[in-house]
Amino acid sequence: AQSVSQHNHHVILSEAASLELGCNYSYGGTVNLFWYVQYPGQHLQLLLKYFSGDPLVKGIKGFEAEFIKSKFSFNLRKPSVQWSDTAEYFCAVNQVSGTYKYIFGTGTRLKVLA
Amino acid sequence: SAVISQKPSRDICQRGTSLTIQCQVDSQVTMMFWYRQQPGQSLTLIATANQGSEATYESGFVIDKFPISRPNLTFSTLTVSNMSPEDSSIYLCSVETPKGGYNEQFFGPGTRLTVL
Repeated sequence: AQSVSQHNHHVILSEAASLELGCNYSYGGTVNLFWYVQYPGQHLQLLLKYFSGDPLVKGIKGFEAEFIKSKFSFNLRKPSVQWSDTAEYFCAVNQVSGTYKYIFGTGTRLKVLA
Repeated sequence: SAVISQKPSRDICQRGTSLTIQCQVDSQVTMMFWYRQQPGQSLTLIATANQGSEATYESGFVIDKFPISRPNLTFSTLTVSNMSPEDSSIYLCSVETPKGGYNEQFFGPGTRLTVL
């Protein structure tokens, strides 16, 4: 069965530190990949997405993610985090063919210390 | 983008009762989804609700426990029936809308349910 793994459940960083959150998925076919963010008390929002083309995608607020097909990975990065990046981050996968079903990872809680 | 509202935003219910959650979208959408987010866990898809057809339930979820209505292209309801404390969770509605050649999924604010 399809699954999405996020290896870091809780991450604590100081402001200006670099961030990398891991995401691996298990599915042999073509997928769309997403990172969603949920700030405290707010809706889930799309941070960035990969559908095709350049495997390095850039999203909002300085975030980027790299799709490495051979590793089934879609890691999220940001060179310098801010206190306002404190949130929960979810990786998600959607099969290109078949159902519209999104599979979400378990999420990573990021806390950035001012 | 799609703006989604849910009612109620939160509720505390007694065991054995039922709660109906409403989801309203500000535009017509074909695909609507209901997710559950249990404490400390990720989002799990309960069912896909398309207007004019029966909802499609994921493994582990059944219509008797989670009946869904989809009367038109902007509205859906999810009922959590015969509740138990294990149903305590956040229930989220989401929709998929076309955007520049692909489909983007938008989420509602969620309904936080506590069952005593």
